[in-house]
Amino acid sequence: DTGVSQNPRHKITKRGQNVTFRCDPISEHNRLYWYRQTLGQGPEFLTYFQNEAQLEKSRLLSDRFSAERPKGSFSTLEIQRTEQGDSAMYLCASSLAFRTGDNQPQHFGDGTRLSIL
Amino acid sequence: EDQVTQSPEALRLQEGESSSLNCSYTVSGLRGLFWYRQDPGKGPEFLFTLYSAGEEKEKERLKATLTKKESFLHITAPKPEDSATYLCAVQEGRYSSASKIIFGSGTRLSIRP
Repeated sequence: DTGVSQNPRHKITKRGQNVTFRCDPISEHNRLYWYRQTLGQGPEFLTYFQNEAQLEKSRLLSDRFSAERPKGSFSTLEIQRTEQGDSAMYLCASSLAFRTGDNQPQHFGDGTRLSIL
Repeated sequence: EDQVTQSPEALRLQEGESSSLNCSYTVSGLRGLFWYRQDPGKGPEFLFTLYSAGEEKEKERLKATLTKKESFLHITAPKPEDSATYLCAVQEGRYSSASKIIFGSGTRLSIRP
């Protein structure tokens, strides 16, 4: 399968713990995005990378959240000191862009569902 | 503020009963409008991109259309396997160089056999 891959699929943790998710994009895609989705809502943008550079972060992304894409390939999203409100599906997407503002469709993985006890 | 509103929130149809889903948007210059399908426990699956008013795209029983203020996803003679949540998303283009897209809350479509 050459689609976007996310691990783990599910994560259950206690409040206050740190968690890290991984995303492997479609191999030729240079852009990678993170979204959060809660029940009954559409995905909400968190941040995106062009190659290894993090180009935009949402106001939703508190300082407890950090994302990296060290070699321009896979990415990790870490949440420190998790809170009940962090429970959600975290989705990763990738796309191929040739210039700023390019509007190619984003292709999503199946997400990591985070549950905070 | 950029907004995307989808209606209805939920729609139940009999197999073969055609209908339309609506997506209205307000953005400062539309760069692209996207339709996705999402099954429970899965990520959104890309369906269509529309770039300008008057454009139409078709795929099997689905047809997407675009005006300056809204988009419609028409479903013709649906089957039970078309049951899913359909998400609309827009990419704002005039003032942003970013690639983020803004999603609506989706329409949950259920097709009864």
